[in-house]
Formats: sequence, structure tokens, C-alpha cells
Amino acid sequence: DAKTTQPTSMDCAEGRAANLPCNHSTISGNEYVYWYRQIHSQGPQYIIHGLKNNETNEMASLIITEDRKSSTLILPHATLRDTAVYYCIVQGSQGNLIFGKGTKLSVKP
Amino acid sequence: KAGVTQTPRYLIKTRGQQVTLSCSPISGHRSVSWYQQTPGQGLQFLFEYFSETQRNKGNFPGRFSGRQFSNSRSEMNVSTLELGDSALYLCASSLDVGPGRNTIYFGEGSWLTVV
Repeated sequence: DAKTTQPTSMDCAEGRAANLPCNHSTISGNEYVYWYRQIHSQGPQYIIHGLKNNETNEMASLIITEDRKSSTLILPHATLRDTAVYYCIVQGSQGNLIFGKGTKLSVKP
Repeated sequence: KAGVTQTPRYLIKTRGQQVTLSCSPISGHRSVSWYQQTPGQGLQFLFEYFSETQRNKGNFPGRFSGRQFSNSRSEMNVSTLELGDSALYLCASSLDVGPGRNTIYFGEGSWLTVV
């Protein structure tokens, strides 16, 4: 199963775009990239997912490089409520999610 | 549309006891999976059920078991509790209708403390 690498922590100013990078260099051709976030003591919240095209929804945008070895989650206008741990995940061969350590995003006023 | 519902939200058990946690998936979702989250090990996959059958299993001892009912509701059981079983147990469900359409949605979890 593919593994992902993310920075341990990042800071972002409120109102600015938050760009969270993720490396998944061993991803295979049919594996999707998923992003979740977890606010302290709550269950992980689904954000967005993609295969090879860029994706956008009401929460965020997902940019996947052409070689699919890395991706970036973009929160266009970060708010204090976006402070959370963000997980970049490649779905495992069994369909399960393999979580890494994630990136702790702190949005500061 | 109601999300994934887990009960109880908090519970305290004594070493050696057993515990049963319940999960109601999102209506229409056929796959239910369970995860354990601890500060040391992070989020780890326990098992997944589909159509009342365990389809996938993570690397946990046999003390951890589960089942799924005909209405897709699921329970997980931990027997002979150990202090290290203290964790947040998360249930998740998905439609399971094909690649890219298997988005997994999580409940709020059940906090288990073993004393």
C-alpha cells in the first residue's frame, strides 16, 4: 500500500490560503488520494479526493501533479475553525484508509 | 441525512472486562469499518464488514471482534480488556459502489478508558 509523507506542522494566517503538501511517490495508477481532517476529539472529516485531475468542492481544492507523486490541498480562505490535523491518504488495497501522522495546521488571527 | 452514529460516546471499564460498541452507518451505506486511535499509534484499521461478512482485517489480536447485522448496523467487541485498549474507537461507513466512489465517512467515536 502506498505511503504518504506530510510536514508535521504548518501555520497559516486567518483569511489567507493554506497550502498543505503531500508526497505519495509510490502511488499506483488506480489509487485515489483522499484528504481528511480531524479536529481535536472528533472523528475524521472527509474533505476531498481525486485520481489525477484537479478537484474542487465547497471546502477545498486538490491539486495533483501530472506524475501523481504529490498533491496539495488548498483551503482558499483559512479560518480559525480550520485548525486541525490534516491527513493525506492513499486508500489501501483492502479499501481501508492508512493514516499517517498528518499535518497539524494552526490558523492564527 | 443522519451521519454515522456511535454509542456510547464515553465509557470506563476495568481490566479483564469486555466491552461492546455500537455503530449505525449512514442510511444506504453497506460497508462498515472500525478504527482505533491512540496517541502512540495514531489511527489504525481494525476490520471492515460488508453484507454481514468480515471482508478485511487489520493487525489486531483476536480479542477484537465485530459483526454486522442485516440492516448494516455493526458492533465491535473487545474481550479481556487491557490498559492499552484505552482509545478512541471510530466507526466509518461507505456506499462501496466502486473506485473513487467509496468515500468513507466517520462517526464521532467512542472513548474507552480501561482502568
